[in-house]
Amino acid sequence: DTAVSQTPKYLVTQMGNDKSIKCEQNLGHDTMYWYKQDSKKFLKIMFSYNNKELIINETVPNRFSPKSPDKAHLNLHINSLELGDSAVYFCASSQRTGPRYGYTFGSGTRLTVV
Amino acid sequence: TQLLEQSPQFLSIQEGENLTVYCNSSSVFSSLQWYRQEPGEGPVLLVTVVTGGEVKKLKRLTFQFGDARKDSSLHITAAQPGDTGLYLCAGYSGSARQLTFGSGTQLTVLP
Repeated sequence: DTAVSQTPKYLVTQMGNDKSIKCEQNLGHDTMYWYKQDSKKFLKIMFSYNNKELIINETVPNRFSPKSPDKAHLNLHINSLELGDSAVYFCASSQRTGPRYGYTFGSGTRLTVV
Repeated sequence: TQLLEQSPQFLSIQEGENLTVYCNSSSVFSSLQWYRQEPGEGPVLLVTVVTGGEVKKLKRLTFQFGDARKDSSLHITAAQPGDTGLYLCAGYSGSARQLTFGSGTQLTVLP
């Protein structure tokens, strides 16, 4: 019974392609996130959605577009992929926003752009 | 930008030893969370500390939030190989409504 599931687990694609990563949570959480983890293991927030509404949009290229069709799903679409986009992308969710709420992460999508 | 620096970056110890990992910032946080991440998996929440000076214990793990809510430490007693992993601290900023992660500490416990 996976709490936060993201697909695919691995994604290898050529520069210039467009790709999507899907994320679903079955925890009934209100808030979902996308994080990027670089080769040095540093985790950086990209987007945050609360009840399908965008609340955080960090400085990421506009080639990255999140879409939340409902509270349980937050997908990430990437246009015109570049070599520098290679990283592990994590989806996460929390019951709501606030200092007391921990995040539940998916197992990540390793994106390799060649 | 709020930065969280963790030290040490890498730590390799023998089973049974004690260790402490530090998480420091010049910024004040509403709360501090600690996560452990294993290869090929996402981070897993260990603890959330909210009050300055708060100490929480989880079996052999002791977490402390600094009085000024700018720093935190994680102490592991009698480390075991199963404790091996990447330990991440994360500070919650109420104004930014987001969790900022630290630089990470890679712990290896040798049998």
